[in-house]
Amino acid sequence: KAGVTQTPRYLIKTRGQQVTLSCSPISGHRSVSWYQQTPGQGLQFLFEYFSETQRNKGNFPGRFSGRQFSNSRSEMNVSTLELGDSALYLCASSPGLAGGLMTDTQYFGPGTRLTVL
Amino acid sequence: QKEVEQNSGPLSVPEGAIASLNCTYSDRGSQSFFWYRQYSGKSPELIMSIYSNGDKEDGRFTAQLNKASQYVSLLIRDSQPSDSATYLCAVNSPNTGNQFYFGTGTSLTVIP
Repeated sequence: KAGVTQTPRYLIKTRGQQVTLSCSPISGHRSVSWYQQTPGQGLQFLFEYFSETQRNKGNFPGRFSGRQFSNSRSEMNVSTLELGDSALYLCASSPGLAGGLMTDTQYFGPGTRLTVL
Repeated sequence: QKEVEQNSGPLSVPEGAIASLNCTYSDRGSQSFFWYRQYSGKSPELIMSIYSNGDKEDGRFTAQLNKASQYVSLLIRDSQPSDSATYLCAVNSPNTGNQFYFGTGTSLTVIP
């Protein structure tokens, strides 16, 4: 199976602009989670989508939004970019099992490195 | 209190030694535990998952889980320079749906 893909891999934007990142999960996986990773903060959870619905949300401002399509591909959008948004944005794919004693395993894509100037 | 805590290190061990990485978590309802390895500039890759108390071995890696103590560890035997990376502990609980909580990671350096 192909792994998780993310596009673009690198992005340079200026303050005030907006950006859209894309993630294609592993075939058959229905859950996509997004994380922001910075050297000082580690992995910060943004949100998770399952079957086109946002199932979980982290503590990020409303400038960060996402969506999931019927083919499980997901996009995240950051509006009005700030310098502090410079980070590695990671997408993680999982089957999206609901409930039960065993939960999912997440597999990460290569990430999109966003630089805000 | 953070949901998942790890000693940030850095941890240095000589080649061939055992590296021990530790992680504690706060949600007693947590049922799934994962170790990821992340090389500099790369994305995290899954090393192991563990769900039951005790040890789980996979090659040179052994994960240990103690739910009563809310503690999970990763042992790397016969450490190699290629093991030098940041190791992330992740925890998942039915209480939080499918949300994973990650520690900040422990940086490991294996000295040749």
